[in-house]
Amino acid sequence: DAGVIQSPRHEVTEMGQEVTLRCKPISGHNSLFWYRQTMMRGLELLIYFNNNVPIDDSGMPEDRFSAKMPNASFSTLKIQPSEPRDSAVYFCASVGTNSNQPQHFGDGTRLSIL
Amino acid sequence: QKEVEQNSGPLSVPEGAIASLNCTYSDRGSQSFFWYRQYSGKSPELIMFIYSNGDKEDGRFTAQLNKASQYVSLLIRDSQPSDSATYLCAVSHSGGSNYKLTFGKGTLLTVNP
Repeated sequence: DAGVIQSPRHEVTEMGQEVTLRCKPISGHNSLFWYRQTMMRGLELLIYFNNNVPIDDSGMPEDRFSAKMPNASFSTLKIQPSEPRDSAVYFCASVGTNSNQPQHFGDGTRLSIL
Repeated sequence: QKEVEQNSGPLSVPEGAIASLNCTYSDRGSQSFFWYRQYSGKSPELIMFIYSNGDKEDGRFTAQLNKASQYVSLLIRDSQPSDSATYLCAVSHSGGSNYKLTFGKGTLLTVNP
């Protein structure tokens, strides 16, 4: 089975540019999570969806961040405008309805804002 | 603010020794507890989960949970150099991982040959 697929793997862009990160969850999984990982703050949950509906976006740092899940097989996390402090590794994870299953993480997107 | 605390380490143990990783959490309503391993530059992967007080063993790994003390630990027996990684403790308010997880910042473990 294909795992969680994220793109791009690496993104380097200049401050002020729009950044779009993409995630394809594992087929059949109905919950999707976006995380950000930095050395200072560790792994933080930004937002999660159940059945394509955003359930909790309290971790989204500010209005510059937005996330969508238009269908069960695709989600985006957008930063506009980007700032250097947004530099981090962004992970997407998905899990199915069986609560005993782990969240499966994608390989992450390493984002650098210059 | 629900918090999960871990010693950042690094924790260094010789090959073959027992490595003990500890985690405390602030939310008494937490029900599910997970240990993830993350190799440098890689994504987290689940190695253990525990829901009930007591011990849960899986091969060389044992998770221990004490809800009264709000404490969860991971023991790694016969540590191997391949166990060298950052170990993340995660806590869920619900009875599974399809709810949001709060992660600790992780403990870096180094197993010396």
